Order: sequence, then structure tokens, then C-alpha cells
Amino acid sequence: DIQMTQSPPSLSASVGDRVFITCRASQSINNYVNWYQQKPGKAPKVLIYSASSLESGVPSRFRGSGSGTEFTLIIQNLQPEDSATYYCQQSYSAPWTFGQGTRVEIK
Amino acid sequence: QVTLKESGPVLVKPTETLTLTCTVSGFSLNNAKMGVSWIRQPPGKALEWLAHTFSNDDKSYGTSLENRLTISKDTSKSQVVLIMTDMAPVDTATYFCARMISRFSSDWYDYWGQGIVVTVSS
Repeated sequence: DIQMTQSPPSLSASVGDRVFITCRASQSINNYVNWYQQKPGKAPKVLIYSASSLESGVPSRFRGSGSGTEFTLIIQNLQPEDSATYYCQQSYSAPWTFGQGTRVEIK
Repeated sequence: QVTLKESGPVLVKPTETLTLTCTVSGFSLNNAKMGVSWIRQPPGKALEWLAHTFSNDDKSYGTSLENRLTISKDTSKSQVVLIMTDMAPVDTATYFCARMISRFSSDWYDYWGQGIVVTVSS
């Protein structure tokens, strides 16, 4: 199975900050990474697919980058509603594993 | 409008078998660009991918639970069923079904059910 290692496990930042969440794959997966946002008690929601493509309706302050084994989710101009847990997921090969999540807290 | 909804027991006893149903609407389980997965999340923990059914009826399972899981679909009823045997308290979790879409040479989960909380306790 492909392992997805996310860092940091949690972070705290202020409104207007830029935050970075990293995901490392245990083998090269080209650009087959998706990013999801999950708020408490809710199902995850896709933000980015194929490493850098913004899902329709998602604010443009969310950006994804990377290829191979290193991927980054960038949230620019952090907003209060961005408080959530973020997960990466690889879709290169089944089983399509998730990272362990990064909890983002607003100071 | 695409929807997915999980149903099944909310409480099961240890060693029992869990059967969950995902009823979908707004798309066909025969659509070659779509499939349905089951994913679970223990309280306060990360998402864990369990199983997937493809439009051509192929199936895939998570490695750690593969010997306890069976996924199947009934296209006429628009339902995907997950069976998990020998339930234990560590299987207490919210169980989600989600639609995987294949577009632009990539695959991702674009729609999710609300989830069903399953507790394993005697």
C-alpha cells in the first residue's frame, strides 16, 4: 500500500496568514493527489484534485502543488471558516489511502 | 442532484456482522466514470479507506481489513452494500460512502454521504 504522511499534525495561525500543509507519498504517484477539508461532524469536501486543480466552487485562496512524492496544500489569506482538518489522499493505485490529517486552528 | 445515504444498524455487538447500505441517486452505478467507496473514521481519528466497487463490478479492499470485508452493488436498486464480519469495539466509527469520479485522467471523491455512526458494544 502507498503510505501518505502529512505534516504538521496541527497548526495555529491568524486570519490573513498563509499556511502550508505537506503530504509525502511512500513512492512516486505522479500528480495523483487530492485534498479534502473536513469540519466537525461533517463529511469531507474536496478542495483540490490532481495535485493542483481547484474543484468548482472552492475559493481561490486554496492552492495545491507538487508531483512525484511531495505535495503541498497552501491556504492563502486564512479565513475563520478555514478552521478544519485537512486530508490528502492518493488516487494513484488502490487502496486509495489518506494521510493522517492536519488540524488547522485560527488564533 | 447527486446524493448518497448510508443506512444500517447504529449498534452492534462484538463478533457480530455489520451490514451497511449506501443508497445513491442522481447517477447510475453502471456509469464507467464513477465508482463508490466505503471510508470510515473512528472518533477523533483519521479517515480510513475500506473498499471500492467499480462500474464493471471489479472490487478493491483495504489491506488491513481485506479478510473481513465484502462489497457488492445492486444497480437496479442503486445500492452499494458493505459487509464487515467479526466486529470489535475498535471498529466503532462513522462510516461514509462516497462517489469517486474519473475525469481529466484523475480520480477523486466528489460526493459523500452524511455518514452513519456505528458503535460496537455489548
